[in-house]
Amino acid sequence: GEDVEQSLFLSVREGDSSVINCTYTDSSSTYLYWYKQEPGAGLQLLTYIFSNMDMKQDQRLTVLLNKKDKHLSLRIADTQTGDSAIYFCAERGTYNQGGKLIFGQGTELSVKP
Amino acid sequence: NAGVTQTPKFQVLKTGQSMTLQCAQDMNHNSMYWYRQDPGMGLRLIYYSASEGTTDKGEVPNGYNVSRLNKREFSLRLESAAPSQTSVYFCASSERAMGAGGAEAFFGQGTRLTVV
Repeated sequence: GEDVEQSLFLSVREGDSSVINCTYTDSSSTYLYWYKQEPGAGLQLLTYIFSNMDMKQDQRLTVLLNKKDKHLSLRIADTQTGDSAIYFCAERGTYNQGGKLIFGQGTELSVKP
Repeated sequence: NAGVTQTPKFQVLKTGQSMTLQCAQDMNHNSMYWYRQDPGMGLRLIYYSASEGTTDKGEVPNGYNVSRLNKREFSLRLESAAPSQTSVYFCASSERAMGAGGAEAFFGQGTRLTVV
C-alpha cells in the first residue's frame, strides 16, 4: 500500500540550512507536496513538485525529487526561528480513492537562535 | 476570508457520549475531508467526500460517521466516544480531488478532542 516516511525531529541553528527528508512507496504518484503546520494551527501548503521534475526552487525553499529511490527532500536556506514548525511530506493517492493525500508522520523542525 | 471553519476548537467528552464536529468551507470546493492527527503518526484520513452527495471511507473510519450536508458543510459524528478517539481532528477541502493537478488542500484550525 501507499506509505510515506519521515524522520520525526530536526534541530538546526538559525542561519544554517535545513534539509527534511521523505521517502514514499507509490511510484505512480504524480504530485508530491510539502505542508507546514505551525503550533496550534492547521496545515498550509508550502510547495509541490510534479513527478517529471527533479528540482523546484521557490525563494528559500528547494525541493529535490529522486524518483528512482522514491526520495523527496525539502531544503530551507538561511533557516529562521519563524521556520520552526512541523513539516509534512505528502503524496497523492490514486484517483479512485478520491485522490486523497497520504501524509508522512511529520518532521518537527526546531530552530535555535 | 474564512476558508475552512471548524467548530468547536476544543471538546472534552466522557466515554460513551456522542458529538458532532462541524466543518464549513466558503471556497465553493467540491471535495472535503476529515483527518485525525496523532503524535508520531501524521495525519490519517477518516472519511472524505469527493463531491456533494458522496462520502467514502478513508484509512480509519471505525467509530465515525459523516454527512455531506450540502456543498459547504461536512460533519463528523462520534456516536459513542472512546478514549482511543482522543486526537486533533482536521477538516480540509480542495477544489477538485485533493492533490489532482497540484490542487491545494485548505485545512481548518483543528478540533482538539479529549475523551476521558
